[in-house]
Amino acid sequence: DAGVTQSPTHLIKTRGQQVTLRCSPKSGHDTVSWYQQALGQGPQFIFQYYEEEERQRGNFPDRFSGHQFPNYSSELNVNALLLGDSALYLCASSLALSGYSYEQYFGPGTRLTVT
Amino acid sequence: GQSLEQPSEVTAVEGAIVQINCTYQTSGFYGLSWYQQHDGGAPTFLSYNGLDGLEETGRFSSFLSRSDSYGYLLLQELQMKDSASYFCAVTGRFGAGTRLTVKP
Repeated sequence: DAGVTQSPTHLIKTRGQQVTLRCSPKSGHDTVSWYQQALGQGPQFIFQYYEEEERQRGNFPDRFSGHQFPNYSSELNVNALLLGDSALYLCASSLALSGYSYEQYFGPGTRLTVT
Repeated sequence: GQSLEQPSEVTAVEGAIVQINCTYQTSGFYGLSWYQQHDGGAPTFLSYNGLDGLEETGRFSSFLSRSDSYGYLLLQELQMKDSASYFCAVTGRFGAGTRLTVKP
């Protein structure tokens, strides 16, 4: 049973560039959430996708956008990168039937460095 | 808005019992979850409390009091491998985490 996968594992970008991160949910899961985790901090909720729609959004600017595909995989796009966007980006999948994602399965994350 | 408060650090010795508290304020509440994250790893789900009371899973237990907006994670028979960060979460929002250090 494949768990949550994310690509790439590491990424280095320059300030002002754009980046796309990808996530495939755990088999059987239909909901994908994205998190930003700075070193020593808890994961900060970016947004959640279900049925190809953004269902919830955290306190992140519009530079952060996403998409969910019919096969439930998802992308996170960040435009006009800032140095402060450097972080570990985590994708988590869950079942909508489990209710407000109380049990989420996380991928290994993408480490983004903005220089 | 939502806020979750938990201690930043806890230290205990092998074999001991440790309790990590979490207090929360949220506009909607659907239960309290706990996650463990080792350095360099991803968070892994530990437990969930949707109703008041104690849930036990092996050496780990979790408690919830909805009237007090409070919960805790109890780790028994601590092992060195339990050294990690522990997060409480409500509707997908995470606290800042408690770093547990287990000493021999």
